Amino acid sequence: DAKTTQPNSMESNEEEPVHLPCNHSTISGTDYIHWYRQLPSQGPEYVIHGLTSNVNNRMASLAIAEDRKSSTLILHRATLRDAAVYYCILRAPYNFNKFYFGSGTKLNVKP
Amino acid sequence: EAGVAQSPRYKIIEKRQSVAFWCNPISGHATLYWYQQILGQGPKLLIQFQNNGVVDDSQLPKDRFSAERLKGVDSTLKIQPAKLEDSAVYLCASSDGGALRDTQYFGPGTRLTVL
Repeated sequence: DAKTTQPNSMESNEEEPVHLPCNHSTISGTDYIHWYRQLPSQGPEYVIHGLTSNVNNRMASLAIAEDRKSSTLILHRATLRDAAVYYCILRAPYNFNKFYFGSGTKLNVKP
Repeated sequence: EAGVAQSPRYKIIEKRQSVAFWCNPISGHATLYWYQQILGQGPKLLIQFQNNGVVDDSQLPKDRFSAERLKGVDSTLKIQPAKLEDSAVYLCASSDGGALRDTQYFGPGTRLTVL
């Protein structure tokens, strides 16, 4: 019962910005939007999260649509180290903080 | 700060054998999660503990899988007997349980191959 939809794969050139889209049309008003990434042979790691407003941190930016039915993770300058599977996740704080993982987007970064 | 520790990193067994995985969460984290990640898929939650109590085990195949978290710290996940379809990476994660942020921190995982 995946609650998010992402493209299976995307490709980017090194040093260029990357926009990773996610659809979550059934999001509830209290669900948080989290993004994690998973490097090969590692566990997922936190990237960014938000509720309604756009968010920035040292790793990325998160743009959330006004109706909250979609969001976009923005990597401002992709590096080879950013090649990973990126997961858009809904977290339900009133359902034991459950994470609903989708199948993720595999990002390939070309030198 | 030490991260989430898991062992072993790799395990190969034959079907119908038993196997156990161990997880040590980040110190002070009240919530512990076990996920199963089949190749090419996102992680699927198997069981969630709050301290040493089970919060959600709705997707745990209870006829063969069991998990415990004694004293609210370390946790063990067991499969007995294993099936071919149990081949996957088993991820452990922990969080401090704060509702507003509640970031989950993942361990490196245990890759299980069932032959």
